[in-house]
Amino acid sequence: GAVVSQHPSRVICKSGTSVKIECRSLDFQATTMFWYRQFPKKSLMLMATSNEGSKATYEQGVEKDKFLINHASLTLSTLTVTSAHPEDSSFYICSARGSLAGYGYTFGSGTRLTVV
Amino acid sequence: AQKITQTQPGMFVQEKEAVTLDCTYDTSDPSYGLFWYKQPSSGEMIFLIYQGSYDQQNATEGRYSLNFQKARKSANLVISASQLGDSAMYFCAMREGPIGNQFYFGTGTSLTVIP
Repeated sequence: GAVVSQHPSRVICKSGTSVKIECRSLDFQATTMFWYRQFPKKSLMLMATSNEGSKATYEQGVEKDKFLINHASLTLSTLTVTSAHPEDSSFYICSARGSLAGYGYTFGSGTRLTVV
Repeated sequence: AQKITQTQPGMFVQEKEAVTLDCTYDTSDPSYGLFWYKQPSSGEMIFLIYQGSYDQQNATEGRYSLNFQKARKSANLVISASQLGDSAMYFCAMREGPIGNQFYFGTGTSLTVIP
């Protein structure tokens, strides 16, 4: 079946530093990648949608300069949290479109970011 | 208006019993897809079941079935013969329009299976 590998699974970083999260489709080409943020015991909030080779489309209220999304290839999309602050601590998860598995959507395993 | 509504923040069920998790949706698009995901404490989103808006029959996948009532715009998940491992958050989600469009997620239901 389709697999999306998301790394790292957990990361702790210091305030002011940047963190890069990778989502890689292992056995299919991810034409579209969705990035979500989830607060504890809350639902998934869509942050942005990226298509390979083009700029990401950000949801209202999401800072483009803070959450940099790159989808440079059909198998890799990255989310970089720049100048991280404690309020950026959250669970980030990606979902890839490109395989018929899961009726078109395959989720990564998520990244738990803690900014100290 | 909310696209997906899950009105049960928390549910309890006795092991081996069946449980129904409610989900209602709101869309004017005739083409849509409804999904249920399980999210254990580890955080991964596990796909459970899918129902397309044009599907005539209710979807079933093992112990999971989807009670699809189109006129009422409801897509309830039924878990039969609950197991301790079913304890998790459950999210209902909808895709409007064609495959590739974004999802709308509900707020989730926390299910606890009691031994």
